[in-house]
Amino acid sequence: AQKVTQAQTEISVVEKEDVTLDCVYETRDTTYYLFWYKQPPSGELVFLIRRNSFDEQNEISGRYSWNFQKSTSSFNFTITASQVVDSAVYFCALSEAGDTNAGKSTFGDGTTLTVKP
Amino acid sequence: ETGVTQTPRHLVMGMTNKKSLKCEQHLGHNAMYWYKQSAKKPLELMFVYNFKEQTENNSVPSRFSPECPNSSHLFLHLHTLQPEDSALYLCASSQTGAGGETQYFGPGTRLLVL
Repeated sequence: AQKVTQAQTEISVVEKEDVTLDCVYETRDTTYYLFWYKQPPSGELVFLIRRNSFDEQNEISGRYSWNFQKSTSSFNFTITASQVVDSAVYFCALSEAGDTNAGKSTFGDGTTLTVKP
Repeated sequence: ETGVTQTPRHLVMGMTNKKSLKCEQHLGHNAMYWYKQSAKKPLELMFVYNFKEQTENNSVPSRFSPECPNSSHLFLHLHTLQPEDSALYLCASSQTGAGGETQYFGPGTRLLVL
C-alpha cells in the first residue's frame, strides 16, 4: 500500500525567509511518480511538479526547488525568499504505475504555509 | 474556457434537496475524478472514470451518484445529504494511462448541507 506523510501540519515564516516542506512516502513499486500541488485560499489545487522514480535529479524553478532522495523516500520542497503570495496549503502526492493504479493518487494531509509580511 | 471548470462554486442545500454538481474539462483528457475535502481532513478520492467508465468507487454512500456522459463532462448528483457531507468537492482530469498521470483540478464547489 502506498502512503504519503507530510509531518508538518502548519508552518509560519516571515517574508523573505527560506522554507522547506517535507514529504516522505512509502511504496513497494519500483516505478512511481511524485507530485506537489499548491492550494491557495480560492480552493483550486495547482499542479507544481511531477517527478518519476527514475529521475533523482533535483529541480529548480524560479524560487521553487525540489529535492528527491530515494534513499530516504523523501521528496522535499523548498521555497526560497518566500513571499506573502506563497501562503497556501501544499500537498505532496504519490501515484504508482500499472493499469490497476491508473488514476489513483495518494495525497498527504497537506502543510499549511503562512508567510507574514 | 480552458482547464477544468466546476459549477456551482457555492451551494447551500437542505437535507431533503436534490442538486447536481457539474464539472467540465477542456484539456482533451479521458479520465475524470471526484474528490471530497472536508475541513481539517485530507483529500478523499470518491470516484474515478476512465473513458466514461467508472473504475473506482471508494465506498461512497449511495446518496452521492456520479454520472459521466462523455470524457469531457462529469456530474455528481446529490440527494438526502447529511450535514457531515458539507465539504469542498473537487473535480480533476488527466490523461488515461498506466498510472502516474498528472491530475488537473477545478476550483471546487463549496457545499453546505443544513
